Amino acid sequence: AQSVTQLDSQVPVFEEAPVELRCNYSSSVSVYLFWYVQYPNQGLQLLLKYLSGSTLVESINGFEAEFNKSQTSFHLRKPSVHISDTAEYFCAVSKHQNFGNEKLTFGTGTRLTIIP
Amino acid sequence: DVKVTQSSRYLVKRTGEKVFLECVQDMDHENMFWYRQDPGLGLRLIYFSYDVKMKEKGDIPEGYSVSREKKERFSLILESASTNQTSMYLCASSLSEDSNQPQHFGDGTRLSIL
Repeated sequence: AQSVTQLDSQVPVFEEAPVELRCNYSSSVSVYLFWYVQYPNQGLQLLLKYLSGSTLVESINGFEAEFNKSQTSFHLRKPSVHISDTAEYFCAVSKHQNFGNEKLTFGTGTRLTIIP
Repeated sequence: DVKVTQSSRYLVKRTGEKVFLECVQDMDHENMFWYRQDPGLGLRLIYFSYDVKMKEKGDIPEGYSVSREKKERFSLILESASTNQTSMYLCASSLSEDSNQPQHFGDGTRLSIL
């Protein structure tokens, strides 16, 4: 079975500073990787995903994540954060599978707080 | 845009009651999921369904059951509610059997059991 570790439960960052949210996974097979974001009082939304190809993936609001197979990591970064980035961020993994009943495994989440 | 609608944002029930949480999606997705979200524990999968009338246990199914009579609707049932089931419940759906498809979430139901 796969697992996901998000070591940082809370990350406070000043506005316009860079941020990195860490995610490590373990799996004995190939995986797909996802970052989801949860804004206050809302459900989760997909931020970005790695399926194959280029190891660097980007979102439309300036976040990026890099798949590092040797370190089994998928850290999320943004060079300059904004107040509106305040949210909880979840890393998730699923095994490569094309015949259904495959689950997403989520990390415990990182609460990002932007300080004005 | 996919819309996943959960019937209640907030719900308060008493210990021992039978509780129904309803979820409807409007994009003809095959897969539907129920999670509970607790501080420090992230999301934990309760049950999921990949077809009408099909269901599979997730990681924490004890004390819960589900029903999927129609493709668009997935219900979570607490047979006899207990205080340790106080939590945020999230429903999600995804398009196909491929595990690379993202899940689309509802806004959640915050359930309190007194």
